[in-house]
Amino acid sequence: GAVVSQHPSWVICKSGTSVKIECRSLDFQATTMFWYRQFPKQSLMLMATSNEGSKATYEQGVEKDKFLINHASLTLSTLTVTSAHPEDSSFYICSEGGVFPDEQFFGPGTRLTVL
Amino acid sequence: AQSVTQPDIHITVSEGASLELRCNYSYGATPYLFWYVQSPGQGLQLLLKYFSGDTLVQGIKGFEAEFKRSQSSFNLRKPSVHWSDAAEYFCAVVGSGNTGKLIFGQGTTLQVKP
Repeated sequence: GAVVSQHPSWVICKSGTSVKIECRSLDFQATTMFWYRQFPKQSLMLMATSNEGSKATYEQGVEKDKFLINHASLTLSTLTVTSAHPEDSSFYICSEGGVFPDEQFFGPGTRLTVL
Repeated sequence: AQSVTQPDIHITVSEGASLELRCNYSYGATPYLFWYVQSPGQGLQLLLKYFSGDTLVQGIKGFEAEFKRSQSSFNLRKPSVHWSDAAEYFCAVVGSGNTGKLIFGQGTTLQVKP
């Protein structure tokens, strides 16, 4: 299957700063990538769908100005958490969309801690 | 709206014992169903999937799942659990609209006793 990497694997930042998380498809050109958020002991919640060369589509309740998604190439999507606050602390996971309805390939996740 | 329910938040089984993890879905049409496993430090890994055809699906690591439309269920089973199976298990369904978006259940944490 496809390989998806995320960088960094964990990050600690101060409240009010911005953090960028990269999601790379290492062996597949992904026109679609998904970004999920996972709180401890909870399920994955879809935040947005990232489409190469176009604006991301955000799920209801997700602030698009806070969670900026850029999908500038077929192998890279980035999620920037702007003006991060402690409540943004979470595990962020990206996935490569694959070909519907086939499986998605997930990155290992990024643990964000905002102090 | 589509939804997935995993009734068991936490399950503990002894090594060598059989395992069944429950998954119920709510979906109007024929669902595309998945089981993923999440281990610490690793991305979600697909165990198996059901799109159509044979309702008993074989997956990796000795897992299987059975699609039962009448019960809206897609339970995951393994005849003999290994200590390395301890992980978080997620059932998921592809949402409507052919967008590929996955809707996940709450997850079941599997603990394996020696």
